Amino acid sequence: GAVVSQHPSWVICKSGTSVKIECRSLDFQATTMFWYRQFPKQSLMLMATSNEGSKATYEQGVEKDKFLINHASLTLSTLTVTSAHPEDSSFYICSAQQGAYEQYFGPGTRLTVT
Amino acid sequence: EDKVVQSPLSLVVHEGDTVTLNCSYEVTNFRSLLWYKQEKKAPTFLFMLTSSGIEKKSGRLSSILDKKELFSILNITATQTGDSAVYLCAKERETSGSRLTFGEGTQLTVNP
Repeated sequence: GAVVSQHPSWVICKSGTSVKIECRSLDFQATTMFWYRQFPKQSLMLMATSNEGSKATYEQGVEKDKFLINHASLTLSTLTVTSAHPEDSSFYICSAQQGAYEQYFGPGTRLTVT
Repeated sequence: EDKVVQSPLSLVVHEGDTVTLNCSYEVTNFRSLLWYKQEKKAPTFLFMLTSSGIEKKSGRLSSILDKKELFSILNITATQTGDSAVYLCAKERETSGSRLTFGEGTQLTVNP
C-alpha cells in the first residue's frame, strides 16, 4: 500500500528557533500534499494544501509567513515552523494524494517548543 | 460553514458488543465522506463513500452514506480491544483540491 513518512517523528526546540518537518511519499508520486495540525483531544485541522512546483494554499487563519511550505518534488514536501513559540506545540501530520485517490497520512511529528 | 459533526464523542463498550458511530455533514461542496481510525499516531484509512445507500464492508466494519439526510454511520460488530481508537469522519470537498474537513472524532474504548 501507499506509504508516507515524516521526519522527525518528534522534536523539541527552543522558543524563537525554526523547525523543519519533512513529508515523503515512499512508493508513489504525490501530486498534492496536505499539512494538518492536531492539538490534544482535538481533531485534525487542515493548515495548507501544496501542489508540486507551486505555492501552497493556506486555510483561513493560518499564517503563511510562519508556516512555510515547500513542495519541491512529487515525493517531498516540507513544513518549516519559523520563530516557533510554545503555542505552536502540536502534532503535525501530513498526507499525500496521487491524483484523485484517497489521502494517505504520515505518522506525524510531535513538536514541543520550550 | 464547512462542518462535520460526530456522535457520540466517546463510547465505552465490552468486547463482543456492536457499536454504531454517527457522522453528519453539510451538503455544500461535497465529493465524498471518509472514515479513518486513529490510534496513537496518524489516521489510517477505513472507507470512502460517494454513493448513497451502498454499504461498504471490511471484515467486522461496515459503513453507509445517506446523501439525502446528510449522514453516515460506521458499524463495528463483535468489537475487540484492538478496536479501541478514535474514529474520525471527514468530508472531502468537491472543489478546492480535495481538502478534508474532519469531525471531532469518536473515542471508542472496548473493555475486555
